[in-house]
Amino acid sequence: DGGITQSPKYLFRKEGQNVTLSCEQNLNHDAMYWYRQDPGQGLRLIYYSQIVNDFQKGDIAEGYSVSREKKESFPLTVTSAQKNPTAFYLCASSPRRDTEAFFGQGTRLTVV
Amino acid sequence: LAKTTQPISMDSYEGQEVNITCSHNNIATNDYITWYQQFPSQGPRFIIQGYKTKVTNEVASLFIPADRKSSTLSLPRVSLSDTAVYYCLVGDLADRKLIWGLGTSLAVNP
Repeated sequence: DGGITQSPKYLFRKEGQNVTLSCEQNLNHDAMYWYRQDPGQGLRLIYYSQIVNDFQKGDIAEGYSVSREKKESFPLTVTSAQKNPTAFYLCASSPRRDTEAFFGQGTRLTVV
Repeated sequence: LAKTTQPISMDSYEGQEVNITCSHNNIATNDYITWYQQFPSQGPRFIIQGYKTKVTNEVASLFIPADRKSSTLSLPRVSLSDTAVYYCLVGDLADRKLIWGLGTSLAVNP
């Protein structure tokens, strides 16, 4: 089955710890994205990547880092520099930036 | 950047047709209009995309007038499972200023 997989679904971390969220796709898409969604709000772009070994900051990149070493994988690290990390994180992929995007099921991160 | 405006919420009943209108006065020449559906605690799901006139697929229709300053998503014969938030987007996903907004929360009643 082709799709995009995020893991884990729920994640708890102590304040001050870095945490990495996984995103894998087997759709052979070039573009991948990370979004953050806060309760009752729309999505906000954290990072996107159009091709392997290249990525660009989105609107709220501060406190986050990414890597794109393989086409299939686009992990997001939430660092201790992120002031309000508790949120719902969504990963997506698409053939190109102007085409239909496929989203994962999300990771709900809670920092205590 | 084309800002979109859509109703915060709508109510409907099973079997009715639902039309959600989105205004985007500053749409750029090369911008597409895309609609997504999102259920609670899930990722958005693509519904339909268009550039001008009318686009139809197996789940919805998208009507875009000639001036492209608005668009209307039409859901025929909604069911309870169509209760969700619907987002209208103008532009591409990698635009760092793309605004998803609050979307339209559609409630379908029995």
